[in-house]
Amino acid sequence: DAEITQSPRHKITETGRQVTLACHQTWNHNNMFWYRQDLGHGLRLIHYSYGVQDTNKGEVSDGYSVSRSNTEDLPLTLESAASSQTSVYFCASSQGTAEAFFGQGTRLTVV
Amino acid sequence: DQQVKQNSPSLSVQEGRISILNCDYTNSMFDYFLWYKKYPAEGPTFLISISSIKDKNEDGRFTVFLNKSAKHLSLHIVPSQPGDSAVYFCAAPWGNQFYFGTGTSLTVIP
Repeated sequence: DAEITQSPRHKITETGRQVTLACHQTWNHNNMFWYRQDLGHGLRLIHYSYGVQDTNKGEVSDGYSVSRSNTEDLPLTLESAASSQTSVYFCASSQGTAEAFFGQGTRLTVV
Repeated sequence: DQQVKQNSPSLSVQEGRISILNCDYTNSMFDYFLWYKKYPAEGPTFLISISSIKDKNEDGRFTVFLNKSAKHLSLHIVPSQPGDSAVYFCAAPWGNQFYFGTGTSLTVIP
């Protein structure tokens, strides 16, 4: 069965460190997204990609970057982790504007 | 600017009764809406959708109603069960993106 997986599921890192969260999908979807979920804010879009070599900023992109070198993967990098980036991160993929499929999430704590 | 809004952060309902979750949107061009359900420590999963050519879509205990003139949709769960306790997000896809509401946490009391 096709799926979308995130790793790690939990991560603790120190302020200022570079962190990369992995997202891998086997749906062969063109579109991939990264969201963060925080209390009172719901799901906020960080970055998204419509295909290989395409990346776009979402509403909360500061301090984050992504790269899309193949269809299956969209890693999210925090260049210099800050306490404000403590959150739960979700990766999703979709084909066009059909339903999006989400990964299980990564809980990131920056201390 | 929040284009999809869920104004009730939480809702508690007795088991067996109806749960009604509301969602408002601002962009009149939105023509398709989805509801997602999220359990703790899991990713959101698709629940039900509705196209703007309809005003109602039903799937078992779940019914979504759309009022285009009011830019409002609602999710009805009848009868509510304890396993329905979760956070529910409404979403509108547009331009290959998805605009999500802030979510409503539903608690169904046994």
